[in-house]
Amino acid sequence: AQSVTQLDSHVSVSEGTPVLLRCNYSSSYSPSLFWYVQHPNKGLQLLLKYTSAATLVKGINGFEAEFKKSETSFHLTKPSAHMSDAAEYFCVVSESNAGNMLTFGGGTRLMVKP
Amino acid sequence: EAQVTQNPRYLITVTGKKLTVTCSQNMNHEYMSWYRQDPGLGLRQIYYSMNVEVTDKGDVPEGYKVSRKEKRNFPLILESPSPNQTSLYFCASSGGGAMYYGYTFGSGTRLTVV
Repeated sequence: AQSVTQLDSHVSVSEGTPVLLRCNYSSSYSPSLFWYVQHPNKGLQLLLKYTSAATLVKGINGFEAEFKKSETSFHLTKPSAHMSDAAEYFCVVSESNAGNMLTFGGGTRLMVKP
Repeated sequence: EAQVTQNPRYLITVTGKKLTVTCSQNMNHEYMSWYRQDPGLGLRQIYYSMNVEVTDKGDVPEGYKVSRKEKRNFPLILESPSPNQTSLYFCASSGGGAMYYGYTFGSGTRLTVV
């Protein structure tokens, strides 16, 4: 069975400082991992995905994530936060025997202070 | 523009009054899915469909029905809504399998059952 834990429900950073959103997963099979972003009153947008190719994945808007199998982690980072990054972020796992089911973490709300 | 369209965006209804939330995609995707989003729980899958006339239950199917008579449409039906179905609902679609491509999400339907 697959599951995802986002370790922080809220993260607050200052504009221009690095962002780290933490995600740990559990999967019995080779997983695919995703990060989605949800801006207020909007739908979900795919930021990046890992599907068994390169372990360091680059996404849109300067975000990247590193798949670490030994740590079962897929943390999301960005070198310098922008005000427009304020949103809710979801780490998502899908494994090969789960059909097309995506399992979502509980979400991390990122706040960016000026 | 490639998109998933849900209607309505907002709906307030009374307990027991049947309702349908429509979902349509213009990308010729095989896979479609419905999720509900509740605070602290992330998104949970209600039902999914792998193609026309093929549907299956997700994590939280109780109280919901779906149908897939045409490839582009995947309506969500609440035969007898109850207050615990008050939530934010998302429809999503995927062309090559969610595990590899993730889903494209609609803008959401906020449902309140009183």
